[in-house]
Amino acid sequence: GDSVTQMEGPVTLSEEAFLTINCTYTATGYPSLFWYVQYPGEGLQLLLKATKADDKGSNKGFEATYRKETTSFHLEKGSVQVSDSAVYFCAPFDRGSTLGRLYFGRGTQLTVWP
Amino acid sequence: GAVVSQHPSRVICKSGTSVKIECRSLDFQATTMFWYRQFPKQSLMLMATSNEGSKATYEQGVEKDKFLINHASLTLSTLTVTSAHPEDSSFYICSARDRQYANYGYTFGSGTRLTVV
Repeated sequence: GDSVTQMEGPVTLSEEAFLTINCTYTATGYPSLFWYVQYPGEGLQLLLKATKADDKGSNKGFEATYRKETTSFHLEKGSVQVSDSAVYFCAPFDRGSTLGRLYFGRGTQLTVWP
Repeated sequence: GAVVSQHPSRVICKSGTSVKIECRSLDFQATTMFWYRQFPKQSLMLMATSNEGSKATYEQGVEKDKFLINHASLTLSTLTVTSAHPEDSSFYICSARDRQYANYGYTFGSGTRLTVV
């Protein structure tokens, strides 16, 4: 089945710093790729997605590019804010799967200090 | 946008009792709902997948008699933790997939913090 390896956290940055959270995946097919964000005490929210190779997903200043050749989907943001403090999850989605299950890795905790 | 309502947000129960958690899709029909358990240090474990009108599919290692899942309608799935014990204390999150946008429409509930004392 599909799986994902995410950069170990926690990541601690000062406000306006550049952020990269690495994500690599393994998949039997041609997955869609998602980044989800979880704010403290809440469920997950879709942050961005990409459905085919070289697609760039973007939202709220975050970006990630679907790199099929390196099976990666690294999350980046040029200037983080305190409000970006959250846990970030990368997830591949097997579109051919009948059940459509979405598996997550450990997530990466991001803390941004003012 | 799609909204999934999960209740209760927090529950404390005594050891040996059962607790029911509800997950409702408010403005869309969910063919499939998923239940996750989140362990300390963020790890999210998929517990089971429920399809409306059929039995849930449990992930390996998840006790189906312990975690009862019912998906009686296209907008409601419930997870019942039976005979709860302190080790069942965790954060449980549901997710629903929009029937219309089957490849993309994963929406998550806000989670339920279960504490068994």
